[in-house]
Amino acid sequence: QKEVEQNSGPLSVPEGAIASLNCTYSDRVSQSFFWYRQYSGKSPELIMSIYSNGDKEDGRFTAQLNKASQYVSLLIRDSQPSDSATYLCAVNRNNQGGKLIFGQGTELSVKP
Amino acid sequence: DTAVSQTPKYLVTQMGNDKSIKCEQNLGHDTMYWYKQDSKKFLKIMFSYNNKELIINETVPNRFSPKSPDKAHLNLHINSLELGDSAVYFCASSQVGPYNEQFFGPGTRLTVL
Repeated sequence: QKEVEQNSGPLSVPEGAIASLNCTYSDRVSQSFFWYRQYSGKSPELIMSIYSNGDKEDGRFTAQLNKASQYVSLLIRDSQPSDSATYLCAVNRNNQGGKLIFGQGTELSVKP
Repeated sequence: DTAVSQTPKYLVTQMGNDKSIKCEQNLGHDTMYWYKQDSKKFLKIMFSYNNKELIINETVPNRFSPKSPDKAHLNLHINSLELGDSAVYFCASSQVGPYNEQFFGPGTRLTVL
């Protein structure tokens, strides 16, 4: 079992729709959770971080964390073609000196 | 600009050569990292340094040697390059704390011929 799992996609949504990206993790002691966006040929860009169960909203982005189910998700409302990228879920087990464990990424394509 | 910067952006070299990649951050962070992203886009940590001290050393061949002259710089030296070393190498930095948000540099695309 991979430590952090994501559907690789591609996930295709029409412009204006809600894109839903999911991530599961295997280690219950994980404490910090992150979503990075990576455009082709570019570096990962931190877009959301979440540490407590529940929802966290920032603009069109909402991160959801359920530690009991070991599940974290990212919702993108009113998806735009510029949101087309690979979204990386990352998990930090804070007892390992800041080591981030990444999922394989979900490729999102927003069609105009 | 406040950022994490890396040089060079591209590195093309022959098998067996030795090369270095440099990283600098001016975010005032005290922890820096090297990650490797392979051809399947999987991102994996290699090393991290906190205030010039090595704190994470994943299972990486000892041909890879990080060096941190100060907390704003973390370099990666690779000896005897192999074809399998071809990848994109990212430097990142963060502030020590419970949340550890990491910010990435632009990456160095290494191609070994």
